[in-house]
Amino acid sequence: ETGVTQSPTHLIKTRGQQVTLRCSSQSGHNTVSWYQQALGQGPQFIFQYYREEENGRGNFPPRFSGLQFPNYSSELNVNALELDDSALYLCASSLAWQKETQYFGPGTRLLVL
Amino acid sequence: GDSVTQMEGPVTLSEEAFLTINCTYTATGYPSLFWYVQYPGEGLQLLLKATKADDKGSNKGFEATYRKETTSFHLEKGSVQVSDSAVYFCALGSNAGGTSYGKLTFGQGTILTVHP
Repeated sequence: ETGVTQSPTHLIKTRGQQVTLRCSSQSGHNTVSWYQQALGQGPQFIFQYYREEENGRGNFPPRFSGLQFPNYSSELNVNALELDDSALYLCASSLAWQKETQYFGPGTRLLVL
Repeated sequence: GDSVTQMEGPVTLSEEAFLTINCTYTATGYPSLFWYVQYPGEGLQLLLKATKADDKGSNKGFEATYRKETTSFHLEKGSVQVSDSAVYFCALGSNAGGTSYGKLTFGQGTILTVHP
């Protein structure tokens, strides 16, 4: 069974740039969620994708957007990067009938300078 | 809204000591409760879960019981090992509307350090 994978592992961007992070869900999982974890904090829910549509969103601005593909993999896009966007971005996958039970990938650490 | 409060850390114990990390929550409806563990430089690993009141989740010697009357889900382990050193997160899973999406609301995390 393949777990959740994310790429890249680390990324450095400058303020105002755009970034795309990628996630492959665990085998058999069709729901993907994204979280932002600032240093020393718990993860914060960004949004969730199911059937290639966003079906739930946390308190994040529209410059945070995503996609889900037919193979259930997903992308997180962040436009107009700000310094406060520096964080660990975590992807989690789950089954449609058990969306809350989520399995996390190793994360992508983003640094915005 | 939903929220999770964990005991403030860090927690430092000697090997074979008893561990308790307190977690309380505020939620509407009937959430599921989870404990996740994060080792340095890694993502979160699901440690255990409980989906209804009085359920006990257990894994790798860790246990937690879903207490609706006290809105708590405290993590316990009878004898910790050096390898248990990590950050532990309590989380509440809410399935908004019962049919829509499921999100996790996390506590701030508790750093556990176990010395030989």
